[in-house]
Amino acid sequence: GQQLNQSPQSMFIQEGEDVSMNCTSSSIFNTWLWYKQDPGEGPVLLIALYKAGELTSNGRLTAQFGITRKDSFLNISASIPSDVGIYFCAGQLNGNKLVFGAGTILRVKS
Amino acid sequence: DADVTQTPRNRITKTGKRIMLECSQTKGHDRMYWYRQDPGLGLRLIYYSFDVKDINKGEISDGYSVSRQAQAKFSLSLESAIPNQTALYFCATSDLVGGDETQYFGPGTRLLVL
Repeated sequence: GQQLNQSPQSMFIQEGEDVSMNCTSSSIFNTWLWYKQDPGEGPVLLIALYKAGELTSNGRLTAQFGITRKDSFLNISASIPSDVGIYFCAGQLNGNKLVFGAGTILRVKS
Repeated sequence: DADVTQTPRNRITKTGKRIMLECSQTKGHDRMYWYRQDPGLGLRLIYYSFDVKDINKGEISDGYSVSRQAQAKFSLSLESAIPNQTALYFCATSDLVGGDETQYFGPGTRLLVL
């Protein structure tokens, strides 16, 4: 089936630093979603992208839908300790079920 | 109140036992999903349902079955639990609007099979 490559697998950064992670696919999607999962909780939607080239922000988070429709990135600016968690990308094409990346584990040093 | 609830939140069972995980939603969504999460493997789809009479296998359906009793309820069963089914299980719901889908997740059920 379809696969999403999400990188990096994990990051350990200093508080205040910016963070960047991305997902790539061998096939195109119509929708890209970014989720965050806190320890012991279910994933929560952060940002949804519906058009190629779209750039959307949610507070300190910014995500872009790649022009080729095969990739997306998520940036977090000025990281804080509560940014810790696992970040997942997900792609969807024409109403089909979502395909998830394996996740990026983010750890923040105070 | 949470829109997507799962019961139980934690469960310990023994090999060979039959168990059921329940999911309920108040979002009025037609689509419901069961995922399994293992460390380093992300979310893998077990089964999904687009409507009350619709059941579809995901990528890892062996050893599992589901029942969509009503629009709001989707249960996952392990007919004979085995230790490698120890994992975190998530239910999700979505509504396809204009071809775009956003899934909303429950809090998860942590299952340990001894």
